[in-house]
Formats: sequence, C-alpha cells, structure tokens
Amino acid sequence: EDQVTQSPEALRLQEGESSSLNCSYTVSGLRGLFWYRQDPGKGPEFLFTLYSAGEEKEKERLKATLTKKESFLHITAPKPEDSATYLCAVQVTGTASKLTFGTGTRLQVTL
Amino acid sequence: DAGITQSPRHKVTETGTPVTLRCHQTENHRYMYWYRQDPGHGLRLIHYSYGVKDTDKGEVSDGYSVSRSKTEDFLLTLESATSSQTSVYFCAISEGQVSGRSNEQFFGPGTRLTVL
Repeated sequence: EDQVTQSPEALRLQEGESSSLNCSYTVSGLRGLFWYRQDPGKGPEFLFTLYSAGEEKEKERLKATLTKKESFLHITAPKPEDSATYLCAVQVTGTASKLTFGTGTRLQVTL
Repeated sequence: DAGITQSPRHKVTETGTPVTLRCHQTENHRYMYWYRQDPGHGLRLIHYSYGVKDTDKGEVSDGYSVSRSKTEDFLLTLESATSSQTSVYFCAISEGQVSGRSNEQFFGPGTRLTVL
C-alpha cells in the first residue's frame, strides 16, 4: 500500500531559525512528489513538484529536495508569514494523476 | 490564482437529506477531483474526472456520486447525508500528464459541510 508520512506533526520556530520538514514515502513507483502550503480556512496552495532523486527546487525561503525514500522542505530564516500547514503528496505510476497526501506539518513562526 | 470556485462555501444539513456540492473552473483543465479533509487523515480522494462524462472512484467513494456534463463543472452528491460525512470538501483541477510528467493540482477554497 502506498504511504506518505510527514514529520514532525507540528513545529514552532523563532523568526530566523532555520529548520527542515520531512516527508517519507513508500510507493510502488514514484511519478512525482508535490509540496503544498495550506493556510487556515483555505485550500492548499501549490509550491513545488519534484520528479527524481537529487532534484531540488527553490522559492524564496523554501527549498525542496528529493531522495529515493524521502523529501525535505528546508525553511531558511523563516518569517511569521511562513506560518501554515505544509502538505506533501505523491503520485504513483499507473494511478491516472491521483495524489496520495500526508497529514501535514503545522508550522508556527514567532517573533 | 487558478480560476476555481466552489459552492456553497458553508452548508448545514440533516442526516438523510441529499446534498450537492458544485465545483466550477475557468481554466479548461481536463482533470477534476473531489477530496475531503479531516483531522488526522489529511486529504483523501473521493472521486475524480478525466473528461466530460468520464469519472472514476477514489479511496473514499462510498456514499458519494459525481457527475460532469461540461468541462467546467464537476458536481459531488451525497445521496443521503450521514454525520460521518461532516468534513471540509475541496475540489481540485489539473491538466493531467504532459510529456509523461505529472502536472500539479490546483485547489479551490473548500466547502465546509456539517451533517447534524
């Protein structure tokens, strides 16, 4: 069975304190790994897609990396506006564009 | 922002009543999806569509049906709502795969449904 596990469940950082979120996956064949940001009361907002081990993508203070078993979302010098829940999802080969999501990491960045 | 709207945004209904949620897109994307989001479970796929009148089941499809008569509209129906269907429902759209690579899904703002 395809599984996606995110850790930690919740993370509290001070402004400027860099850290990483983890997404580990067990799938029969990975077609793509996706990162989303979700603010309270809103729909998930797309951040990155990663397709193969070794690939990296960056956007402002966020950097996503991918290995054969996990992905990391690195947050460098976070600001309070980075506070949100970050979701990881995988698309498995032969599943017609369906995504399997993890349960997310709730990030809070304080002053 | 991707042009996706959901209606209604909030609904309270009683057990046993039928409920229809609507998703409308202005992006002309081929794929449309319905998810539900519950604490501790993350987003789970209910049904999806890969074209007009072409639909298939997701992992939590029992008690739900869908219809897509036009590219831009995807309807989710709860034939007889139960309290276990209290949830936040999200619609998503995607172009599907291009050159063998997956395209990202874009999500709507969600519908909060409460079944009493």
